[in-house]
Formats: sequence, structure tokens, C-alpha cells
Amino acid sequence: ELKVEQNPLFLSMQEGKNYTIYCNYSTTSDRLYWYRQDPGKSLESLFVLLSNGAVKQEGRLMASLDTKARLSTLHITAAVHDLSATYFCAVDYGSSGDKLTFGTGTRLAVRP
Amino acid sequence: NAGVTQTPKFQVLKTGQSMTLQCAQDMNHNSMYWYRQDPGMGLRLIYYSASEGTTDKGEVPNGYNVSRLNKREFSLRLESAAPSQTSVYFCASGLSLPFYEQYFGPGTRLTVT
Repeated sequence: ELKVEQNPLFLSMQEGKNYTIYCNYSTTSDRLYWYRQDPGKSLESLFVLLSNGAVKQEGRLMASLDTKARLSTLHITAAVHDLSATYFCAVDYGSSGDKLTFGTGTRLAVRP
Repeated sequence: NAGVTQTPKFQVLKTGQSMTLQCAQDMNHNSMYWYRQDPGMGLRLIYYSASEGTTDKGEVPNGYNVSRLNKREFSLRLESAAPSQTSVYFCASGLSLPFYEQYFGPGTRLTVT
């Protein structure tokens, strides 16, 4: 059974600080996805990481993938309040790879 | 493009009642999915459909049925609602190879009393 674990589950950080969210998964996969969810809203795709060593950046967020370690990181640089949300990682599986298993999410609160 | 749409947005049912959640996508995706989201549990796959005419169980299918009516529409039915089915339900549609990015609808908040 594929397990996807995120940590921390909750992160309160000050504006301007840096931090990293970790996503570990238990089986071989070359593809990992990051999503953002604002309170009461749906999920929005942030990054699709397709191979070992992949790195994607958008604004203050940077995601990377190490398939050998089965680890992805989401790094936040100089946090701002607008980044407050819950972040999910997901890994695809299934015989054709068309299903996703999601982590439990990291709730990020950026305070002034 | 509307993307993925879901109806209704909110619903309150009594135990034992039935209802169908509707989902439609206009992105010409082959794959469609139903998830439920509960606090602290992330998203869990209920059913999915890899293409029109096919459906398959996900992680938590008990108490649900689905219909892939055509390429655009994928409905989720609760035959006899139970309080344990109180949750937020998301429909998603997805790309195929080379990767499986999914696009989510706005969700249906269901309460079963």
C-alpha cells in the first residue's frame, strides 16, 4: 500500500522567514504533484515534478524531487500572508499510474 | 471553459436518504475521480473512471456507487446515507500520459444527520 507522509502537519511561521515542507512516500514513483487549498475552497495545482532531480519554482515557492530518497520538498522563501493555505503532495500509482495518493496536508499559517 | 463543475454545493440529508452528486468537465479529459476529504485525512479516492464506460473502486468505495454517463459527466450516488458519510466531496478530472495532473471541482459539503 502506497503511503504518503507530510511533515510538519501544521506550520506557523513569521512573515519574511524561510521554511521547508517535506513529503515522503513509500513506493517507487517518478511523478509527484503539489497542490494548494485555501480554507473552504478546492485544490489548485502548483507543481508537477516528473523525474529525479526535478525542480520547479513559482514566486516564493520552490519544489524539488529526489526519487531515490522518495522525498519531495516544498521550500518557502520569505513567507508572506498570502501563502497561508494547506499544501498537499500526491504521488501517482496504479497499473497505468492514473490514480493519486495524497498526503494528509500541511496547514501553513503566516503571521505578521 | 468552466473546468470541473459540481452540484450541489451544499446538502443536508437524514440518515437513510439517498442522493446523487453530479460532476461535469469540459476539458475533454478521459479520467474522472471522486474523492472525499475529512479533517486530518487528506483526500481519499472513492471511485474513478479511466475512460467512458469504465469505473473502478478506490480506497473507500463502500456505501457509494458511480456512473460515467459520458465523457463529460461522472456522478456519485449515496443509496442510504449514513452519518459517517458526512464529508466534503470533490470531483476531479485528469490528464493521461505522460503525467496525471488532476483538476478539481469546487466541492460539495454534505452533512448527514
